[in-house]
Amino acid sequence: DTAVSQTPKYLVTQMGNDKSIKCEQNLGHDTMYWYKQDSKKFLKIMFSYNNKELIINETVPNRFSPKSPDKAHLNLHINSLELGDSAVYFCASSQGPTSGGNNEQFFGPGTRLTVL
Amino acid sequence: GDSVTQMEGPVTLSEEAFLTINCTYTATGYPSLFWYVQYPGEGLQLLLKATKADDKGSNKGFEATYRKETTSFHLEKGSVQVSDSAVYFCALISGTASKLTFGTGTRLQVTL
Repeated sequence: DTAVSQTPKYLVTQMGNDKSIKCEQNLGHDTMYWYKQDSKKFLKIMFSYNNKELIINETVPNRFSPKSPDKAHLNLHINSLELGDSAVYFCASSQGPTSGGNNEQFFGPGTRLTVL
Repeated sequence: GDSVTQMEGPVTLSEEAFLTINCTYTATGYPSLFWYVQYPGEGLQLLLKATKADDKGSNKGFEATYRKETTSFHLEKGSVQVSDSAVYFCALISGTASKLTFGTGTRLQVTL
């Protein structure tokens, strides 16, 4: 059974379109995250939700809107896609938002978004 | 703010060679430190971690020791295998925040 799953695995779309990426975890975790990995492999957090509540919101354009319908799901909707949005987006989950390093984050396989 | 600096890659080694990937950090307080590995086409997996000074994390023959005095967490392995070829990320979490701050990643290529 996949612990953290993402759909789709690949997404190719035109500039200006709106798209969504879905994430689900079956680990019973309370906290979920979205990270962006650029073409140089640099990883940076975008958002984090704990029990459906937004707790981390880094400097991300407001074209990006996370939605957490329940604590097992965290979706990422992107409006008006731009070339610079091309990246691999990783979802992750952990038991809780605090206790620092005692809460291992489990990552999904990633969604490779290509904007043409 | 928090930051992690890793040695530039790629690192190319022959099988059975000794590996060191350097990692240093800047953070407030006492962060927890991690090494994640990303195999080609896959997501990140936690390789090892250390949550306090002088702790040594180890897994699959890899080791890293939390050195507070030098703010470092260098990754080592005594004898690498071709299957270790991947990108390795050093990361930290500081304070009560749960977000991981990553280094830029170091690609390791092991050849026969």
